Amino acid sequence: AQSVTQLGSHVSVSEGALVLLRCNYSSSVPPYLFWYVQYPNQGLQLLLKYTSAATLVKGINGFEAEFKKSETSFHLTKPSAHMSDAAEYFCAVSESGYGGATNKLIFGTGTLLAVQP
Amino acid sequence: GAVVSQHPSWVICKSGTSVKIECRSLDFQATTMFWYRQFPKQSLMLMATSNEGSKATYEQGVEKDKFLINHASLTLSTLTVTSAHPEDSSFYICSARDPGGQGAEAFFGQGTRLTVV
Repeated sequence: AQSVTQLGSHVSVSEGALVLLRCNYSSSVPPYLFWYVQYPNQGLQLLLKYTSAATLVKGINGFEAEFKKSETSFHLTKPSAHMSDAAEYFCAVSESGYGGATNKLIFGTGTLLAVQP
Repeated sequence: GAVVSQHPSWVICKSGTSVKIECRSLDFQATTMFWYRQFPKQSLMLMATSNEGSKATYEQGVEKDKFLINHASLTLSTLTVTSAHPEDSSFYICSARDPGGQGAEAFFGQGTRLTVV
């Protein structure tokens, strides 16, 4: 069965500092992996996705993530944090390792990012 | 990208009444939609998978008679919380994947904040 683990439920960085949010996955098949962001009282917005193409994936708002099979990791990074990046971030994996319409997502527990001025 | 619209964004109801939440795919047909529940500062918990023209598939521990799901068309799924009680107060989010899309990602509604008083 597929699963994801997010290390660190809370991360705090200074504005302009590097953002690193950790996600490790477990999958018996080549995984499809996603990072989503959630602002208060809103739905989830896709930041980026890995679907077995390039291992370094670039997303919106300056975020990127690198798929490392040897480490079973898909950490999210951003070189310079902005105040508007403060939000909850979720890592997710497709249940059956592919992106079919009936395939549900398995979410991590989330990481709340705080950005200090 | 594809758009999923959820309505209402928030609702307050009296204990014992029923509340209906709508989830629409605006620019694609969704044979499958997913309903999640999110408690404060927690991850998304999948409640059920909504299937167009057939019965929903509920996750273990979710009361099907409490949370009625109807997916009568390819663009609309509804979740009805029956005989609501304060413990049903939560944030409910729907999602769908575009079967014709290439991205494999799930698109999320804006969420519905339900408060039962």
